[in-house]
Amino acid sequence: EADIYQTPRYLVIGTGKKITLECSQTMGHDKMYWYQQDPGMELHLIHYSYGVNSTEKGDLSSESTVSRIRTEHFPLTLESARPSHTSQYLCASSEYIPAGELFFGEGSRLTVL
Amino acid sequence: TQLLEQSPQFLSIQEGENLTVYCNSSSVFSSLQWYRQEPGEGPVLLVTVVTGGEVKKLKRLTFQFGDARKDSSLHITAAQPGDTGLYLCAVNNNDMRFGAGTRLTVKP
Repeated sequence: EADIYQTPRYLVIGTGKKITLECSQTMGHDKMYWYQQDPGMELHLIHYSYGVNSTEKGDLSSESTVSRIRTEHFPLTLESARPSHTSQYLCASSEYIPAGELFFGEGSRLTVL
Repeated sequence: TQLLEQSPQFLSIQEGENLTVYCNSSSVFSSLQWYRQEPGEGPVLLVTVVTGGEVKKLKRLTFQFGDARKDSSLHITAAQPGDTGLYLCAVNNNDMRFGAGTRLTVKP
């Protein structure tokens, strides 16, 4: 069973609020990822990290930021939430090896009113 | 242009039928992975294929990696309602990229 945790599982907030989605893993994985996914739709890569102090942008990253101060922690921040940010956000981690398996958290479902 | 093209996008079949879904690209990959995602959960790895022409079997699921390592297929024999889900192929291209997926529904 994967040891990767996301909080909150569900969040409803108003437009303009700042939010941080938390992701922690206890597997010692170097690589971590954030994906955005609408229900039943494809996963869009937002950000990823190769390890501590490494962050890279994916396809949909322009409105969010991440940090990687500790190996186990990879939070995602939206400075000013908008209704278009309503979606599910999935965090994942893997070993830093070729074809490493991704382990996913259960997701954070965000609704912006 | 999508890095990975999956087809069909939707598939609805009766229990007991066989099916094949595809993952295609114009790029060559050193490996390719298949994941399955159920509603409300994160994707879970089914298999990793690394060698051109490789065939891997996982119970009723058969995975094949194309000879040129540009495409892959997933064949399910005698589908069951428990096979219902979103099937995603993925490749490690410095980051980890997923196809749009095939949404499979198996009706009892």
